[in-house]
Amino acid sequence: EVHLVESGGGLVKPGGSLRLSCAASGFAFSTYNMNWVRQSPGKGLEWVSSISDSGESIFYADSLTGRFTISRDNAKNSLFLQLNSLRDEDTGVYYCARDLGLHSRWFDSWGQGTLVTVSS
Amino acid sequence: DIQMTQFPSSLSASVGDRVTITCRASQSISNYLHWYQQKPGKAPNLLIYSAFNLQSGVPSRFSGSGSGTDFTLTIRNLQPEDSAIYYCHQSYGTPYTFGQGSKLVIK
Repeated sequence: EVHLVESGGGLVKPGGSLRLSCAASGFAFSTYNMNWVRQSPGKGLEWVSSISDSGESIFYADSLTGRFTISRDNAKNSLFLQLNSLRDEDTGVYYCARDLGLHSRWFDSWGQGTLVTVSS
Repeated sequence: DIQMTQFPSSLSASVGDRVTITCRASQSISNYLHWYQQKPGKAPNLLIYSAFNLQSGVPSRFSGSGSGTDFTLTIRNLQPEDSAIYYCHQSYGTPYTFGQGSKLVIK
């Protein structure tokens, strides 16, 4: 069974940093692209970033480039998101999700999410 | 960026009814359109991929159609457990974008 488990969220002051992790199990992690999607309280879904199966191709939402960094460790079946220079508007639940890449870029499995709260 | 406009933003229907949710892209996205269901406090769940393909395990009362810029999600024979927010999602190009969501309430 596919499992994605996020961790690393918490309360952080504006300007602070966090590192989110997503532990994957139950599937061949190194053959899937991975994504981060976030959801502000009471709001819709916002795609944050994607990383290819090998880690060679990385994409970010335009508004986040430079502050967030996605990475992965295929040997440890893990996905990461480094969040720097956090702002109030970065508050929300952060989900990791997988996709098969190429023409199959739908998110067929999601984690339960980890809550990031940016507040002074 | 490709903008996804979903409507209606909210709808109410009774058990056994049929409802349709529409998603419109700001440019042609071929069939790179997917639908998710999200219940309170839970992660989104994939229902339909590539416009009309039913994800494994999803009841057949859910169906999708469309291509290019206009897409629909139809739910037939509504059940109480279908109460949720539904989102469309385009993966034609980055940044991937979602519709703003359609909240379905079962009366």
